[in-house]
Amino acid sequence: GENVEQHPSTLSVQEGDSAVIKCTYSDSASNYFPWYKQELGKRPQLIIDIRSNVGEKKDQRIAVTLNKTAKHFSLHITETQPEDSAVYFCAASLSGNTGGFKTIFGAGTRLFVKA
Amino acid sequence: DAGVIQSPRHEVTEMGQEVTLRCKPISGHDYLFWYRQTMMRGLELLIYFNNNVPIDDSGMPEDRFSAKMPNASFSTLKIQPSEPRDSAVYFCASSLKAYTEAFFGQGTRLTVV
Repeated sequence: GENVEQHPSTLSVQEGDSAVIKCTYSDSASNYFPWYKQELGKRPQLIIDIRSNVGEKKDQRIAVTLNKTAKHFSLHITETQPEDSAVYFCAASLSGNTGGFKTIFGAGTRLFVKA
Repeated sequence: DAGVIQSPRHEVTEMGQEVTLRCKPISGHDYLFWYRQTMMRGLELLIYFNNNVPIDDSGMPEDRFSAKMPNASFSTLKIQPSEPRDSAVYFCASSLKAYTEAFFGQGTRLTVV
């Protein structure tokens, strides 16, 4: 079945450093790749997404890259700040076997930004 | 719009009891998803609906779980009978159309004792 693997599970960086989270997906039919941030006790919220016809997308300090050939995508956060501390989830969306579309999530990366 | 609304926020129940979780998606959204979140298994997709029709329930763990969407503004997830291993945070999410952002509700924290 569809699978999304995410690494690392935990990441600790110094404030101001960059953080990189990597994901791979199994189904080549996946064509939409969102990233969600979940703060402690809160709901997941979208921070950035990328579609299969784009290789890179940037929004201020956050960027995502996609390599469809390798079925690999990454999240890059530059100039990290303490408020970036949270759990980050990558996800891949594809057509369901019985119609519609579904989104499969990675296991999450707990990011700690030390002041 | 107030976003996706779930109720209750917290539920504590005894093993064997029936539990019903409720969700009101964002108006106009075509898709509704139910996820379960645990430390061990992360965010698991349980079932999703398109225009109120269940499309894929392959993620529902057992026959004890069932979900309905009687109209575009309401969905329920029912567990009967509940077991301690069902303890988790259950999220409902909705999307405007295919391959777009999922907006999550606040979640229901279920504890089965």
